[in-house]
Amino acid sequence: QQPVQSPQAVILREGEDAVINCSSSKALYSVHWYRQKHGEAPVFLMILLKGGEQKGHEKISASFNEKKQQSSLYLTASQLSYSGTYFCGTGAGNMLTFGGGTRLMVKP
Amino acid sequence: DAGITQSPRYKITETGRQVTLMCHQTWSHSYMFWYRQDLGHGLRLIYYSAAADITDKGEVPDGYVVSRSKTENFPLTLESATRSQTSVYFCASTPTGGLYEQYFGPGTRLTVT
Repeated sequence: QQPVQSPQAVILREGEDAVINCSSSKALYSVHWYRQKHGEAPVFLMILLKGGEQKGHEKISASFNEKKQQSSLYLTASQLSYSGTYFCGTGAGNMLTFGGGTRLMVKP
Repeated sequence: DAGITQSPRYKITETGRQVTLMCHQTWSHSYMFWYRQDLGHGLRLIYYSAAADITDKGEVPDGYVVSRSKTENFPLTLESATRSQTSVYFCASTPTGGLYEQYFGPGTRLTVT
């Protein structure tokens, strides 16, 4: 079953923070985060594994709450380059099931 | 060229025709995947392959056929294209399975008229 992402869309001013959530009805073993810019392929951001620690990537970090079966992506001091659609993917065996995406727009 | 490539990048075909989308990677990754992306549905897995001659169904396999005779190639065939298969198709690869980063190809935009 597809994980649910929220919000579906968010508009920010440069320098503002954002949080994107990803919830699953199934037990989570791993959560992947990808960003896709318009007309391009998705690009990997990070993976969080069950029992693993919070991962970071520059000013983008994420958390993984196994009990609540959810993950959150934190974008700090957003930059124009952060604009795009963010997808979470939940891992089960060798497959990833992706959420519907969160469209993020950062304005000057 | 190094990396993962897809061909063609754009394709228009008619209902009922057979279409094959190609995917080629130069990393010798074991795992390869085919996804389709439609507005409002995100990325949905069609088929994946763990190695040459090993393939398995994903979420939405109906109407598609795959093969993998060589590690580097993973073609996707629509045996009789339908309008509902109009979509953007992405191929991806990863070295060792679902717990690792997937590298995506540039995508093929397919329109079925």
